[in-house]
Amino acid sequence: EVQLVESGGGLVKPGGSLRLSCAASGFSFSSYSMIWVRQAPGKGLEWVSFISSRNSYIYYADSVKGRFTVSRDNAENSLYLQMNSLRAEDTAVYYCARGVPANYYFDSWGRGTLVTVSS
Amino acid sequence: SYVLTQPPSVSVAPGQTARMTCEGNNIGSRSVHWYQQKPGQAPVLVVYEDINRPSGIPDRFSGSNSGNTATLTISRVEAGDEADYYCQIWDQMWDSSGDHRGVFGGGTKLTVL
Repeated sequence: EVQLVESGGGLVKPGGSLRLSCAASGFSFSSYSMIWVRQAPGKGLEWVSFISSRNSYIYYADSVKGRFTVSRDNAENSLYLQMNSLRAEDTAVYYCARGVPANYYFDSWGRGTLVTVSS
Repeated sequence: SYVLTQPPSVSVAPGQTARMTCEGNNIGSRSVHWYQQKPGQAPVLVVYEDINRPSGIPDRFSGSNSGNTATLTISRVEAGDEADYYCQIWDQMWDSSGDHRGVFGGGTKLTVL
């Protein structure tokens, strides 16, 4: 069974940093691209970042480009999102999900971790 | 950048058919995916690549895509289908960056009367 478990969320002040993790199990993690999606309270889904299976391709939403960095450790079956210069508008539940090529739909999702940016 | 437009809400009585649209410029040339999200839960993929259902998704869920509109149809609607539904595509930027990005519609809240 595919399992994705996010961690690392919490309360952080504006301008602060946070690192999210996503632990994967039940599938060949190194064979899949992975993505981060976020959802602000009461709002819709927003795609945040993509990383290909072997780090060859990395993409970001304009709203986080230059502030967030996605990475992965295939040996540890883990995905990460380093978030710097956090803003109030980054407050959201952050989900990791598995991406299926070539049209990249997201077939398995974690339960999410809440990030709150507030003074 | 590519924009997907969904109506904010759709209401339907139990046993009837719900149709939720997702509009985009020439979306029929794109591959569209649909997600169901119930309150407090993660999204669940219900239709991928326009018409395909993942295992475990009832055949009451179906998709179509043509012209400027993709549609998710739920037949014989049940109370348990009440949720938010999002369409999504994977978009390639045809500028010098060569970037790709995920695009979600704003979501449609399905209310079962």
